[in-house]
Amino acid sequence: GDSVTQMEGPVTLSEEAFLTINCTYTATGYPSLFWYVQYPGEGLQLLLKATKADDKGSNKGFEATYRKETTSFHLEKGSVQVSDSAVYFCALTVNSGNTPLVFGKGTRLSVIA
Amino acid sequence: SAVISQKPSRDICQRGTSLTIQCQVDSQVTMMFWYRQQPGQSLTLIATANQGSEATYESGFVIDKFPISRPNLTFSTLTVSNMSPEDSSIYLCSVEDPTTGGWPGQYFGPGTRLTVT
Repeated sequence: GDSVTQMEGPVTLSEEAFLTINCTYTATGYPSLFWYVQYPGEGLQLLLKATKADDKGSNKGFEATYRKETTSFHLEKGSVQVSDSAVYFCALTVNSGNTPLVFGKGTRLSVIA
Repeated sequence: SAVISQKPSRDICQRGTSLTIQCQVDSQVTMMFWYRQQPGQSLTLIATANQGSEATYESGFVIDKFPISRPNLTFSTLTVSNMSPEDSSIYLCSVEDPTTGGWPGQYFGPGTRLTVT
């Protein structure tokens, strides 16, 4: 079946450091890929998405590129801030957006000043 | 976008009892999804609830254990019945984007943190 694998956390970085959170997937069809973020005490928020190979999703300084050849969708940010501390989830859906998501386990990021 | 609220935000319950979780959306949506997030695990879909029809359950989840109601286009409830400590999780409801019918992605409520003792 479809699955998403994320790097294990927690990840602790100093402010202004470069961030990479790895995400790879297996899918029976052609998936759309998502990154969600969960800030402390809040619900999941869609951070960015990509729907086809070589698409780059971006938002709030975060980027991820849909790499079909490596089945990956790694999340990157050039300079993290304390306010980026959260849990990040990689997810996919093979059909339309009106179908359930398959999630990775989540990666907790802590950014220290 | 959609704003989703859930009640209660957290609860501590005794085994053998039941808890009903409410999910309220500020827009009319066709599809609502209920997920479970066990400690240290990813989110797992419990069921999909369409207004006016029976909920569709994923493998490993049954209606007797997790009955769902969907009385209208803005509201749903999930009941966790005859609870055991293994039911301790965060339960989240999710909806499609009300304006696009699915894209750019789903919106999630803040979750209900359930602890069963």
